[in-house]
Amino acid sequence: GAVVSQHPSRVICKSGTSVKIECRSLDFQATTMFWYRQFPKQSLMLMATSNEGSKATYEQGVEKDKFLINHASLTLSTLTVTSAHPEDSSFYICSATGGEAGANVLTFGAGSRLTVL
Amino acid sequence: GNSVTQMEGPVTLSEEAFLTINCTYTATGYPSLFWYVQYPGEGLQLLLKATKADDKGSNKGFEATYRKETTSFHLEKGSVQVSDSAVYFCALQNTGFQKLVFGTGTRLLVSP
Repeated sequence: GAVVSQHPSRVICKSGTSVKIECRSLDFQATTMFWYRQFPKQSLMLMATSNEGSKATYEQGVEKDKFLINHASLTLSTLTVTSAHPEDSSFYICSATGGEAGANVLTFGAGSRLTVL
Repeated sequence: GNSVTQMEGPVTLSEEAFLTINCTYTATGYPSLFWYVQYPGEGLQLLLKATKADDKGSNKGFEATYRKETTSFHLEKGSVQVSDSAVYFCALQNTGFQKLVFGTGTRLLVSP
């Protein structure tokens, strides 16, 4: 079945640095990828939707310059948290659609836990 | 707007007990409803879904019925196993859109 891999699974960084999280579809071409953020005991909040080769569409309230999303190929999307601060610490999850499952079935990555010191 | 409300966890049960995790929703139109499960260290996996009123989704012994009159999609299992310990998310998706709206998740802990 469809598999989505996220890397790194955990990252700790110092305040002010930038962190890049990768999301790869391993066995299918992902026409659309989604990035979610999850706070403790809260639901997954959609941050942005990215389509290969075009600019990401951000949800209201998400800072585009803070969370840079690049969907350069049909198998890779990256989320870069720029100038990270402690309040950016969170669990980031990507999902992708495409492949045999079709456009309306989402496959999720295992998530990346970011801790900013 | 669209929203999903789940019961707070954790839900702690003994093996072979009956499970219910409540989920209610608010949506415009006629959404599809989903239950996702997240095992420790893994990504969310689709557990079951229902696309219209009175549909019943089922998988791995879990069931949920799309109740339009009560705007609910409660998850049930007749006899839980230790391996069912995970976080369960209820979600909705409006027709024609790929975006999912999630509930807060409910952690299930099953002891032997």
